[in-house]
Amino acid sequence: DVQLTQSPSFLSASVGDRVTITCRASQGVSSYLVWYQQKPGKAPKLLIYAASTLQSGVSSRFSGSGSGTEFTLTISSLQPEDFATYYCQHLSSYPITFGQGTRLEIK
Amino acid sequence: EVQIEESGGGLVQPGGSMRLSCAASGFRFTSYAMTWVRQAPGKGLEWVASVRGDGSEKRYVESVQGRFTISRDNTKNSLYLQMNSLRVEDTAVYFCARVPVASNRYFDAFDVWGQGTMVTVSS
Repeated sequence: DVQLTQSPSFLSASVGDRVTITCRASQGVSSYLVWYQQKPGKAPKLLIYAASTLQSGVSSRFSGSGSGTEFTLTISSLQPEDFATYYCQHLSSYPITFGQGTRLEIK
Repeated sequence: EVQIEESGGGLVQPGGSMRLSCAASGFRFTSYAMTWVRQAPGKGLEWVASVRGDGSEKRYVESVQGRFTISRDNTKNSLYLQMNSLRVEDTAVYFCARVPVASNRYFDAFDVWGQGTMVTVSS
C-alpha cells in the first residue's frame, strides 16, 4: 500500500502569509495526486488534481506541484476562508489512500 | 446542478447490518465511477470502496472486504453500500462522491461529494 505522509500536521499562519504543505508518498504515484480542503462538519472540496491542475472554480492562489514521491500544495496569500484541514490523496493504485491531514489555523 | 445526497445512516448494534444509499442528479451517471469515503469522529479520510460506471469493477479497502458490498443502479442514478457484520470501528460519517475517469481508466479525483451520513455502531 502507498503511504502518504503530510507535513506539517499542524500549521499556524496569518492572513496574507504564503504557506506550503508537503505530501510524501512511500512509493512513486506518478502524477496521480490530489488535494482536498475540508472545513468542520463539511464534505471535502476538490482543489487540485493530477498534482498540479486547478479544479474549475477554485481560487488561483492555490497551486500544486510535484511528481513521483514528493508533492506540495501552496497557498500564495492566505485568506480567512482558507483556514481548514487539507488532505492529499493518491489514485495510482489500490488501495486509494489519503494523507493524515494538515490543519491550518489562524495565528 | 450536480447534486449528490446520502441517506440511510443511523445507530446499529455490533454485528448488525445497514444499507446506505446515494442519490445523484444533474449529470450523466453512467459516465462516472462512484465511491464511498468515510471519516471516523475527529479522524481523517478513509477510502472505502469504488465502482466503475458500468458496474464492471468493484474495489474495497481491506478492512471492509467481505463485509461491505458496493453496488449501483444506473436506471435510478443511485449508489449503495450494503454493510454487514458491522464493528464499532466502522462508526463514521460516510460520504458518497463522483469520480471522473480518464481515458486510461485511472481515476482523476473525487470531484463532487455529498454531505455525508452518520453511521454509529454501538451496543
